Amino acid sequence: AQKVTQAQTEISVVEKEDVTLDCVYETRDTTYYLFWYKQPPSGELVFLIRRNSFDEQNEISGRYSWNFQKSTSSFNFTITASQVVDSAVYFCALSEEGRISGTYKYIFGTGTRLKVLA
Amino acid sequence: DAGITQSPRYKITETGRQVTLMCHQTWSHSYMFWYRQDLGHGLRLIYYSAAADITDKGEVPDGYVVSRSKTENFPLTLESATRSQTSVYFCASSELKRGYGYTFGSGTRLTVV
Repeated sequence: AQKVTQAQTEISVVEKEDVTLDCVYETRDTTYYLFWYKQPPSGELVFLIRRNSFDEQNEISGRYSWNFQKSTSSFNFTITASQVVDSAVYFCALSEEGRISGTYKYIFGTGTRLKVLA
Repeated sequence: DAGITQSPRYKITETGRQVTLMCHQTWSHSYMFWYRQDLGHGLRLIYYSAAADITDKGEVPDGYVVSRSKTENFPLTLESATRSQTSVYFCASSELKRGYGYTFGSGTRLTVV
């Protein structure tokens, strides 16, 4: 079965430190998509990024960057110069073919709670 | 208003009662999903739907029923609520293409006493 592992349950850092959240996945699909979502204390789930399996370019968006390595089945997320507002639970997700032909769904990891201390 | 809305936001029900959680989206997205969020388990898929009248089970479907007679609505029914179904439930919708991310509703916090 396809699987997403976020081994870090909780990470605490001091403001302005860099932090990397790990995501390791298992899939049989040759084409797949990976995602990161953020869940701040208010509870909503916010889409951050998607990456398809054919694009191994790293991506940077402001203080956020993502490192996709197919060879190690990892899609790690780094926050540079962390801020208190980055405190949230972060989820990694993987697309999976559904049992009904042509359908798909996403499998989520268990999340990493990031606490950024002032 | 455009978007995806869940109702109610909070619900307390008794063991054994039937309860329905509502999800409505205004984008005409083909896909809709129900997840539950529990500490230590992250988000687990209950059911999903690829179109009206096309639904399939996810990881944890037992005790839940869904229907999708109209594209915009995807209600989740707990036929006989149990305490283990106390959770936060999220509905999501997405375009038909696999690479599109989800848009989530605000969640329903359900407590079964």
